[in-house]
Amino acid sequence: LAKTTQPISMDSYEGQEVNITCSHNNIATNDYITWYQQFPSQGPRFIIQGYKTKVTNEVASLFIPADRKSSTLSLPRVSLSDTAVYYCLVGMDTGRRALTFGSGTRLQVQP
Amino acid sequence: EPEVTQTPSHQVTQMGQEVILRCVPISNHLYFYWYRQILGQKVEFLVSFYNNEISEKSEIFDDQFSVERPDGSNFTLKIRSTKLEDSAMYFCASMWTKGTDTQYFGPGTRLTVL
Repeated sequence: LAKTTQPISMDSYEGQEVNITCSHNNIATNDYITWYQQFPSQGPRFIIQGYKTKVTNEVASLFIPADRKSSTLSLPRVSLSDTAVYYCLVGMDTGRRALTFGSGTRLQVQP
Repeated sequence: EPEVTQTPSHQVTQMGQEVILRCVPISNHLYFYWYRQILGQKVEFLVSFYNNEISEKSEIFDDQFSVERPDGSNFTLKIRSTKLEDSAMYFCASMWTKGTDTQYFGPGTRLTVL
């Protein structure tokens, strides 16, 4: 799996948009980009997955530039309940294979 | 929405004892996984299971560990002789099919070895 780099932590306030960027310079042609969210003492939860350009679902948007060497997870209008660790994972067939989690980005949302 | 369930939520055991952690994956899923997370550390892959056999395992998954799907619904992780360093959250995950599908994680079992 491609190595990923993301900020260790971020702070935000309720109602703001939060963008978390992940660098993956050695992403391979067949690799997908997947983001998971983990609340304290809970299992990781899938948020969004994409290959190129932009993907949007009811929770977040994922922006992927043309060179695919980075990606940005965008959380619109965060609330206190979005306080969690967010993980960026890059790899081919990331569903079947073992997931390799990094340290993630710890997002703290304040009132 | 279907979900992965795990029991117990918290297991306390003495060093050297055997423990069995239980998981009920989502009913039509075919791929099953165990991960663990030591407090304050990363989520680590242990083992994956498909078609009634182990398909992949990590270095952590040594001879003290075993997995089983005894009855077509439960998926268990057994630790034969627990060590202090086995204390962690253990997460079960399942997935329907390969490809770009996603793994669905359970809430975890907190194992404390004394």
